Amino acid sequence: NAGVTQTPKFRILKIGQSMTLQCTQDMNHNYMYWYRQDPGMGLKLIYYSVGAGITDKGEVPNGYNVSRSTTEDFPLRLELAAPSQTSVYFCASRGTGGSGANVLTFGAGSRLTVL
Amino acid sequence: GQNIDQPTEMTATEGAIVQINCTYQTSGFNGLFWYQQHAGEAPTFLSYNVLDGLEEKGRFSSFLSRSKGYSYLLLKELQMKDSASYLCAVRDLYGNNRLAFGKGNQVVVIP
Repeated sequence: NAGVTQTPKFRILKIGQSMTLQCTQDMNHNYMYWYRQDPGMGLKLIYYSVGAGITDKGEVPNGYNVSRSTTEDFPLRLELAAPSQTSVYFCASRGTGGSGANVLTFGAGSRLTVL
Repeated sequence: GQNIDQPTEMTATEGAIVQINCTYQTSGFNGLFWYQQHAGEAPTFLSYNVLDGLEEKGRFSSFLSRSKGYSYLLLKELQMKDSASYLCAVRDLYGNNRLAFGKGNQVVVIP
């Protein structure tokens, strides 16, 4: 199993550009999450999804959009990149049954710089 | 909402014991988690507490007191590879069981 796969690993954007961070998982997990982590800080929840077709806002959703057309994929879109969106982005997923319901599996992260 | 507080950094010697504290406030507590994060890497799951008491898992133990809104992670027989950030996270029943993370505590292990 590949687990949670994020692409790209690194990206530099100019202010105002748009891009999509891809996230896919092969564990058939219903729950998926996007977090951002700024230096020396904890993880802040951007958006999450409890299943295909369902998404909801987290703590810091402004400037981002998501979609969940399949169980496997949960892309995060930045429409008009701003320097405040410079961060490391983590996608995560978890299952709903047994001990797996308690464990978030994270992707390796995507480091985004907006100049 | 949730409020999670952790101290920021500590240094300890190889072979020693270190305790990392976490205090929290939440309206719908449904579990407390500890994650380990090495520099430049993703967090990985360490432990989970939902009932009061101590959970032991090898060199790592985690304690929870729900009435005090308090948890600690105990790292025993410290090894160099334990140098990492340790994140406390609380699950909120009223927020679709989302996890809210603290800022993390950086542990530096020295020889």
